[in-house]
Amino acid sequence: DQQVKQNSPSLSVQEGRISILNCDYTNSMFDYFLWYKKYPAEGPTFLISISSIKDKNEDGRFTVFLNKSAKHLSLHIVPSQPGDSAVYFCAASAAGNQFYFGTGTSLTVIP
Amino acid sequence: DTGVSQDPRHKITKRGQNVTFRCDPISEHNRLYWYRQTLGQGPEFLTYFQNEAQLEKSRLLSDRFSAERPKGSFSTLEIQRTEQGDSAMYLCASSLSLGRAEAFFGQGTRLTVV
Repeated sequence: DQQVKQNSPSLSVQEGRISILNCDYTNSMFDYFLWYKKYPAEGPTFLISISSIKDKNEDGRFTVFLNKSAKHLSLHIVPSQPGDSAVYFCAASAAGNQFYFGTGTSLTVIP
Repeated sequence: DTGVSQDPRHKITKRGQNVTFRCDPISEHNRLYWYRQTLGQGPEFLTYFQNEAQLEKSRLLSDRFSAERPKGSFSTLEIQRTEQGDSAMYLCASSLSLGRAEAFFGQGTRLTVV
């Protein structure tokens, strides 16, 4: 049973525009959410996280929004750059235990 | 480099052989995770340790898989009698054991069973 879902397998945006990646989850016990970026043949790289006590966390060009009532989170990248092209995974955990990952969204930023 | 280190990066083995992978976590991290990733999927949880104690194993983990973390430092993941379905990227990650702490991943070990 997939507890974390990323329903868009791919996304293309123009350089300089906003990229919005979405993630839904089903387990209401999740209290910590993360986004990872992954290049081919490498391990995932941590990007940004958010605790369930917040609804927004910002780090430079990256902002994560959390809507607990909808069990939905999103990652905004502004402005998008060609180097952002990668696969993005969202992940969630409950009470500091294992992380559950979505299936990923492949982002292509077109120069 | 003080990141998570995995060895080997690539392993090709014949079906039925045993393989062992090693992971060296970030030195101050007491949690260590093993994940497996196949094409088009997200990382799938296998098991995790806090120090030397194995706290959780995935129900998907067959008896052919075993992991250890002696002395709470590096960890090994062994797969016995490999099958073609074991072909995947095996990822190791480590984190602090605070209530909420991000996990940092290694480069992974790509296993191909022929």
